[in-house]
Formats: sequence, structure tokens, C-alpha cells
Amino acid sequence: DTEVTQTPKHLVMGMTNKKSLKCEQHMGHRAMYWYKQKAKKPPELMFVYSYEKLSINESVPSRFSPECPNSSLLNLHLHALQPEDSALYLCASSQGGLAGYAALEQYFGPGTRLTVT
Amino acid sequence: EDQVTQSPEALRLQEGESSSLNCSYTVSGLRGLFWYRQDPGKGPEFLFTLYSAGEEKEKERLKATLTKKESFLHITAPKPEDSATYLCAVRENTGNQFYFGTGTSLTVIP
Repeated sequence: DTEVTQTPKHLVMGMTNKKSLKCEQHMGHRAMYWYKQKAKKPPELMFVYSYEKLSINESVPSRFSPECPNSSLLNLHLHALQPEDSALYLCASSQGGLAGYAALEQYFGPGTRLTVT
Repeated sequence: EDQVTQSPEALRLQEGESSSLNCSYTVSGLRGLFWYRQDPGKGPEFLFTLYSAGEEKEKERLKATLTKKESFLHITAPKPEDSATYLCAVRENTGNQFYFGTGTSLTVIP
């Protein structure tokens, strides 16, 4: 099973709201990612968790707050977003670490389409 | 700086007209090169991983190849359902970060 699930599929929120995006995988992957994707652009990395610890934060504004409660779950907490934050938010997972040639590819979820009004 | 470049940006093919997409990369040490297919509004779908120069992978009408500086995704006798954006990504020897190209938007006309 190579499935990554994301909820909700669609989210509309005002600039003063607080909401959370959720991601789950059961592949035993120890690296999990959040990406932001605008139309006709490639995914843009936001955060990487490796073994439940934040390892990469690509200078993302503090209105985005990631959380990794356990090795299968990844959340993205949203607060006081701006209209330009409207995008497709993608979660992905991969095998973490540097050992050998285990399958390294990322598997993506279907995404959450976020609209900020 | 590490860089992944894909060409062409867009490609229109007649059904059955074979072609190739290119992904060139510059990284300090390649751990893997990955091809994904993405349909509008959906998450990228994993296609292939290539680890070393000379390696080839095939799946239905798609064949991916790798050299020391670039990868090609060959599409043989494409069908309209192959229409999508094809993304290339690389992963370095160190760390968990993936670098994406800007993608090739493929349209196959019946």
C-alpha cells in the first residue's frame, strides 16, 4: 500500500480563522513533507520532518505551523492566512535516513485545495 | 546551486506520435532521480526511480533513462489519457530534500 491520505479535500477559510490540515501514511516512512503548489508551478517545499523532528523549514511564515504527533501523522496548522496563501497543499512521505538503496521516492497525497477569502 | 531543468515546458502530440521529455540536473551527488505524473488538481503520482547512469525503467508506454547529467522520459505511441504534467525530481546523497523541475505539460490529441 503506497497511500497517503489528506483531509480535508477542500477548505475555504477567512483571514481570521484557525484551521488544520491533516496527513496520514502507514508505509512506515520516517520522513514526511509539506509542499505548497500554485497553478502551473512545481511543488514548493515548506517543511520536512525526519523521525518526527523538524529537519527543514524553508523560511515559511509563522502563520503556518507544522506538527508531527507520531510517525504516521502530519498536521499543518493555519492561522491568519492571506489570500496569496490560496493553493494546493500537498503532503508526501518517503523513507528517511541515508542507509543503502532502499526505495527513496516520495509518495504524495491527493492534496488539500485551500482558498483564503 | 542545485538545479533541475525540464524541457520542453509544453508538448502537444498526436495520438501515436512518440516523443521524449528531458530533465537535466546539477547536484553535488545524486542519490536518486524520480519521475512523477500529475493531473490537474491532484497530487503527483510516482512513476519511476533511477539511481545510476545507464539505468532504464519501463511502464506501459513510458520508459525512463538516466545519464550523468540528464534523464529522458520516452513516450511511445501516446494516448489521450497520457495527457498530464510530468515532473522530474532529484534527491541528493545527503538529507531528505527533493528538488523539482518545473514540469512538462503534455497534451495528446486524438
